[in-house]
Amino acid sequence: DAKTTQPTSMDCAEGRAANLPCNHSTISGNEYVYWYRQIHSQGPQYIIHGLKNNETNEMASLIITEDRKSSTLILPHATLRDTAVYYCIVRLPTGNQFYFGTGTSLTVIP
Amino acid sequence: ETGVTQSPTHLIKTRGQQVTLRCSSQSGHNTVSWYQQALGQGPQFIFQYYREEENGRGNFPPRFSGLQFPNYSSELNVNALELDDSALYLCASSLGGLAGLGEQFFGPGTRLTVL
Repeated sequence: DAKTTQPTSMDCAEGRAANLPCNHSTISGNEYVYWYRQIHSQGPQYIIHGLKNNETNEMASLIITEDRKSSTLILPHATLRDTAVYYCIVRLPTGNQFYFGTGTSLTVIP
Repeated sequence: ETGVTQSPTHLIKTRGQQVTLRCSSQSGHNTVSWYQQALGQGPQFIFQYYREEENGRGNFPPRFSGLQFPNYSSELNVNALELDDSALYLCASSLGGLAGLGEQFFGPGTRLTVL
């Protein structure tokens, strides 16, 4: 399974865009990149996923580099409720198993 | 549609005992995955059940076992509890097979404390 590397923690001012990076240099061609977040002591919440193209939904945008070795999750206008641990996950090509790393703890500052 | 539910919410056991945790999957989902999350760590994949069969297992010993029922609800059983088994246990449901490229929906978890 491909491993991911994320910064341990980040701060972002409320109302500004939060850009969370993730490295997945060993990703294989048919593996997807997923992003989840976990607010303290709750179950992880799905944010977005993609394979090659950039993706956008009502929560966030996902930018995947052309070589697919890294990606960035963008929260366009961070709010205090976006304070959480954000996990970048590469999905195995078989089955639905997800392998979480330690994630990035994002703190949105008023 | 109903979301993923887990029971109990909290549980305290002593070392050597056995525990059963339960999960009801989201309506229409045929796949259940179980995760263990120790304090300050990311969730660790235990195993997954797809249509009542085990469909992948993480690096956990055989004393961690599971079951999925015809209605796709699931149980996680842990025998001979150890202190290190204290954790938040998360259940996630999803659609398996070729339809399973979407997200997993997580329940709120069961907090297990082993004394």
